[in-house]
Amino acid sequence: DADVTQTPRNRITKTGKRIMLECSQTKGHDRMYWYRQDPGLGLRLIYYSFDVKDINKGEISDGYSVSRQAQAKFSLSLESAIPNQTALYFCATSDAPGLAGVVEDEQFFGPGTRLTVL
Amino acid sequence: AQTVTQSQPEMSVQEAETVTLSCTYDTSESDYYLFWYKQPPSRQMILVIRQEAYKQQNATENRFSVNFQKAAKSFSLKISDSQLGDAAMYFCASRWGTSYGKLTFGQGTILTVHP
Repeated sequence: DADVTQTPRNRITKTGKRIMLECSQTKGHDRMYWYRQDPGLGLRLIYYSFDVKDINKGEISDGYSVSRQAQAKFSLSLESAIPNQTALYFCATSDAPGLAGVVEDEQFFGPGTRLTVL
Repeated sequence: AQTVTQSQPEMSVQEAETVTLSCTYDTSESDYYLFWYKQPPSRQMILVIRQEAYKQQNATENRFSVNFQKAAKSFSLKISDSQLGDAAMYFCASRWGTSYGKLTFGQGTILTVHP
């Protein structure tokens, strides 16, 4: 089984709809992240969470919200989807730095969700 | 602003040959980490190699090596003996100073490997 899973893998929705993307991990990591990937722009950080009670905005948080339901689950919501939110969305996890055997800042990515907003 | 730039949208190489992907960055911080990630058609992001800025020695992982030029703020990836499975999008990324866990990515370079 994959260590970081995302659901759905693909989603088509309409402008104005609320949509939730879900991420689960079995790696036991405290840190989780949401990125979006756009052609020519690379990946950009939307939100990140270093533990269940710690959630922070990233570079492009407007129009998005997140929920960290448990150590293993981190969901991204688009409250009212718009076409320029069409993108590939990735969840990632990482371990805390300083732990034995941990490559600091190595992030483990899910398979991505391709979201299309019409 | 701290940035990472990949100026080559696409590169190609013949199987078994060597190719170098370029990455430059801009930061005023002295402590940072640089990464190369691979994204094959499956979309899965995979860490290829990592370099700490304080280390002068270039990182190497099997056929993958970097040329880290700190003064020039350059971090290129060299792939030796290219294989068909190396075909992918490659992203350069960085983590600046105390921005723990927050990665800044470049635009990506699509690498095609010709048999």
